[in-house]
Amino acid sequence: DSGVTQTPKHLITATGQRVTLRCSPRSGDLSVYWYQQSLDQGLQFLIQYYNGEERAKGNILERFSAQQFPDLHSELNLSSLELGDSALYFCASSVGGQSSEAFFGQGTRLTVV
Amino acid sequence: GQQVMQIPQYQHVQEGEDFTTYCNSSTTLSNIQWYKQRPGGHPVFLIQLVKSGEVKKQKRLTFQFGEAKKNSSLHITATQTTDVGTYFCASTRNAGNNRKLIWGLGTSLAVNP
Repeated sequence: DSGVTQTPKHLITATGQRVTLRCSPRSGDLSVYWYQQSLDQGLQFLIQYYNGEERAKGNILERFSAQQFPDLHSELNLSSLELGDSALYFCASSVGGQSSEAFFGQGTRLTVV
Repeated sequence: GQQVMQIPQYQHVQEGEDFTTYCNSSTTLSNIQWYKQRPGGHPVFLIQLVKSGEVKKQKRLTFQFGEAKKNSSLHITATQTTDVGTYFCASTRNAGNNRKLIWGLGTSLAVNP
């Protein structure tokens, strides 16, 4: 158990809908990262928050947004969903920045139908 | 696009054989991290290398960082079925104020008992 909790584990939704994925980092970790993993694209970094502030941005679509709350949990919002958004979404946390060891949650498997 | 290239993409070995995966970059890397993801699981941090020519060992795993800091390798001696999974390398890349972890596409290892 990495100490990072993601909910829900599975999500099935229709195209055009909006969903929210939730992540609770390890106790004491200030950074939260979101990743998208699909079969053909590997592990894609989406965005990082550090202590409530956006720290780095990756290949995150404009239809996606995220935030980190004062209690350090984070949410990833995916809107106007398309079939191609079906993937495994991982949250990871670390004590410091991107040079720190990252601990991954179990992931949320999103299926858009 | 990808900043770090991993080869091979797939590798099948007989149990007991050795295995090596390589991570290459056209630019100098500040560091290299290695992760392992078991089938159906989440990435798990293995190690980080930061120094030129650095070599680190974890039991049957040997990690190397090239002298020019443009490549890295992970070598497994005498593979076991528990080594099955996908091995990813990742490196921190600075782009202005945006610092992010760039991931290779991974090498999937299958071990025949």
